[in-house]
Amino acid sequence: GDSVTQMEGPVTLSEEACLTINCTYTATGYPSLFWYVQYPGEGLQLLLKATKADDKGSNKGFEATYRKETTSFHLEKGSVQVSDSAVYFCALTSPGYSSASKIIFGSGTRLSIRP
Amino acid sequence: DGGITQSPKYLFRKEGQNVTLSCEQNLNHDAMYWYRQDPGQGLRLIYYSQIVNDFQKGDIAEGYSVSREKKESFPLTVTSAQKNPTAFYLCASSIGGGGADTQYFGPGTRLTVL
Repeated sequence: GDSVTQMEGPVTLSEEACLTINCTYTATGYPSLFWYVQYPGEGLQLLLKATKADDKGSNKGFEATYRKETTSFHLEKGSVQVSDSAVYFCALTSPGYSSASKIIFGSGTRLSIRP
Repeated sequence: DGGITQSPKYLFRKEGQNVTLSCEQNLNHDAMYWYRQDPGQGLRLIYYSQIVNDFQKGDIAEGYSVSREKKESFPLTVTSAQKNPTAFYLCASSIGGGGADTQYFGPGTRLTVL
């Protein structure tokens, strides 16, 4: 079945460091890909998304490119801030599904940024 | 402002009691969802509803029940049959029930069984 695999955390970086959180997927058809962010004690917020191959999603300095050839959707940021500390979830949905139930989440990657 | 609200933020329950978690949205979305999140883990789907008066079981529906009497409301009841209910519960909604629709999440309810 469809699945999402994220790099395990926690990831700890210093402020202004470069960030990459790896995400790869297995899916039938042509899924849409998402990154969600969860700040401590809160719900999930959509960070960015891409709906077709080679699309780049971007928001708040974060970027991710839909790579069909490598089935990847890695999250990147050039210079992280303390306020970026959160848990990041990669997810996919496929328009081929007949119901709304099939959003598949990765297990999440906790990111901590040191001042 | 449009959004999804969940209440209460924190909820404590004694063993053997049923408890109901509230979820309301004013986004005019047709589809609504309930997820459970355990520490260090991803989200697991409990129930979802694509339209008023209709809902389907997700991956872990046992011990839970829902209703969808109004478009904007999708309450979740955690029954005494749920053996390990302590978790963080997240409600979400999307415009339609299509698999590619973006889901938007509420702030969550943390349930603790005493």
